[in-house]
Amino acid sequence: EVQLVESGGHLVQPGGSLRLSCAASGFTFSSSWMSWVRKAPGRGLEWVASIKHLGSETYSVGSMKGRFTISRDNAKNSLSLQMNSLRVEDTAVYYCASGDDFDYWGQGTLVTVSS
Amino acid sequence: QSVVTQPPSASGTPGQRITISCSGSDFNIGSSFVTWYQQLPGAAPKLLIDRNFQRPSGVPDRFSASKSGTSASLAISGLQSEDEADYHCATWDVSLSAWVFGGGTKLTVL
Repeated sequence: EVQLVESGGHLVQPGGSLRLSCAASGFTFSSSWMSWVRKAPGRGLEWVASIKHLGSETYSVGSMKGRFTISRDNAKNSLSLQMNSLRVEDTAVYYCASGDDFDYWGQGTLVTVSS
Repeated sequence: QSVVTQPPSASGTPGQRITISCSGSDFNIGSSFVTWYQQLPGAAPKLLIDRNFQRPSGVPDRFSASKSGTSASLAISGLQSEDEADYHCATWDVSLSAWVFGGGTKLTVL
């Protein structure tokens, strides 16, 4: 059974940093695209970033480039999202998703950016 | 404001067939694939229809999808109360080089 478990979300002040993690199991992690997708209150889903199987290629949405960095550790079946210079509008539930089409999703971790 | 738009709400009665639209442009739906997700209340999104119009294992065949030009649709036949959820479409936008999601459609089963 595919399992994706996010962690690391909590309350942070504007301008602060946070690192989210996603522990994966139940599938061949090193063969899968991995992504982060977020859902802000009252808004639709928003793609954040994706990383290819070996981590050699990453893709992210324009507004987050330079602030958010996606990475993976295939030896530990782990995905990470380093978020810097956080803004109030980054407040959202952040989901880890696996597969070319976001085939499987974790339960999400809540990031709140507020002073 | 997303570059891909969905109606914010839809409704139907049990047993009815409903469709949810997803409208984009030549830069996304018109030149790329569309995927669909179901998000039940309080739960994470779940893949409903993949880019090849296929349903993952466990998704009832009451759910189907289609695409024409710059628009796509999700159809649900034999509507059931358990189908009450938010439905999201997604596609790849070649001009933005980004996945884009529609704003989501909240389906109410009356």
